[in-house]
Amino acid sequence: GENVEQHPSTLSVQEGDSAVIKCTYSDSASNYFPWYKQELGKRPQLIIDIRSNVGEKKDQRIAVTLNKTAKHFSLHITETQPEDSAVYFCAASSGGSNYKLTFGKGTLLTVNP
Amino acid sequence: GAVVSQHPSWVICKSGTSVKIECRSLDFQATTMFWYRQFPKQSLMLMATSNEGSKATYEQGVEKDKFLINHASLTLSTLTVTSAHPEDSSFYICSAGLAGALGETQYFGPGTRLLVL
Repeated sequence: GENVEQHPSTLSVQEGDSAVIKCTYSDSASNYFPWYKQELGKRPQLIIDIRSNVGEKKDQRIAVTLNKTAKHFSLHITETQPEDSAVYFCAASSGGSNYKLTFGKGTLLTVNP
Repeated sequence: GAVVSQHPSWVICKSGTSVKIECRSLDFQATTMFWYRQFPKQSLMLMATSNEGSKATYEQGVEKDKFLINHASLTLSTLTVTSAHPEDSSFYICSAGLAGALGETQYFGPGTRLLVL
């Protein structure tokens, strides 16, 4: 089955700096890669996703890049703000009949004012 | 759009009782719903995949007789934890799949925190 590795497990940055979180996956059939943000005690919220037909996607301060050859994808947050502090999860799915997601272990991002 | 609700948000019960958790997609029909379990400071662990009108598909190691899933309609799935024990205490989260032109996207419910005494 699919295996998703996520690094780093914790990341601390100063407000205004950029943050990068990286994930690798094992199943070459995976073609959908969402990123979720989870604040303490809350639901995971989809912040951005990318499908294998593109290499990069941006939404304001957030971007995701995908390298299918190397089987890795990354989340980039620019101009970080304290409200960006949360746990971020990457995931991968091979689609198919049920779009099952395999999650990474998460990255605790802390943005210091 | 793409709102998923979950009820109850909190439940405390005695060991041996059964607990039912509901997951609803409020503004869309979900072809597939998923049930996850999350321990403190850990990732989401998929328990089962649920399709409307058919039996759920359970992940390896998840007891289907312990965690009963019913998916009666395209907007409602329920998870029943039968004969709950303290080790079943956890945060249970559902998600619903919204089909789009390029594929399906999962949206999560707010979760249910279960404490078994």
